[in-house]
Amino acid sequence: GDSVTQMEGPVTLSEEAFLTINCTYTATGYPSLFWYVQYPGEGLQLLLKATKADDKGSNKGFEATYRKETTSFHLEKGSVQVSDSAVYFCALSDRGGATNKLIFGTGTLLAVQP
Amino acid sequence: NAGVTQTPKFQVLKTGQSMTLQCAQDMNHNSMYWYRQDPGMGLRLIYYSASEGTTDKGEVPNGYNVSRLNKREFSLRLESAAPSQTSVYFCASKGTGSNTEAFFGQGTRLTVV
Repeated sequence: GDSVTQMEGPVTLSEEAFLTINCTYTATGYPSLFWYVQYPGEGLQLLLKATKADDKGSNKGFEATYRKETTSFHLEKGSVQVSDSAVYFCALSDRGGATNKLIFGTGTLLAVQP
Repeated sequence: NAGVTQTPKFQVLKTGQSMTLQCAQDMNHNSMYWYRQDPGMGLRLIYYSASEGTTDKGEVPNGYNVSRLNKREFSLRLESAAPSQTSVYFCASKGTGSNTEAFFGQGTRLTVV
């Protein structure tokens, strides 16, 4: 079945450092790909998305490119801030039939130190 | 804007007790989902409903039942709670199409003692 694998955390960075969180997926078709973020004590909220190969999603300085050849959707940010500390989830939504199934990775905790 | 509303926010149950977690959305979404979140395990799909009148099992359905009462509401029932069901539960809803955004409730923290 469909699945998402992301790098384990926690990832600890100093402010203004470069961030990469790896995400790879397995899917039978051509899914849409997402990054969600969860701040402490809250539910998840969408950070960015990409719906087809070579699409780049971007938001709040974060970017991720849909790479079909490597089945990857790595999250990057050039200069992180303390306020970026959160748990980041990679997810996919299948295109198969009417199921609209939404599958998440295990999440990666990011801690940014001043 | 209410979005996705879950109740209750916190609950403590004794082993063997039953309870229902409620979820309602006001965005006219067709699809709704129940996840559980455990440390190191991420979000695991329990059940989902692609549209009103349909429900399907996710990765970890054992010990749970669901009801899609109408388009707005999707409830999760624990018939006989076990300590292994101690978790944070999230409800989500999503529009039709794989590229649409999912919206999440604030979560229910359930402890089974």
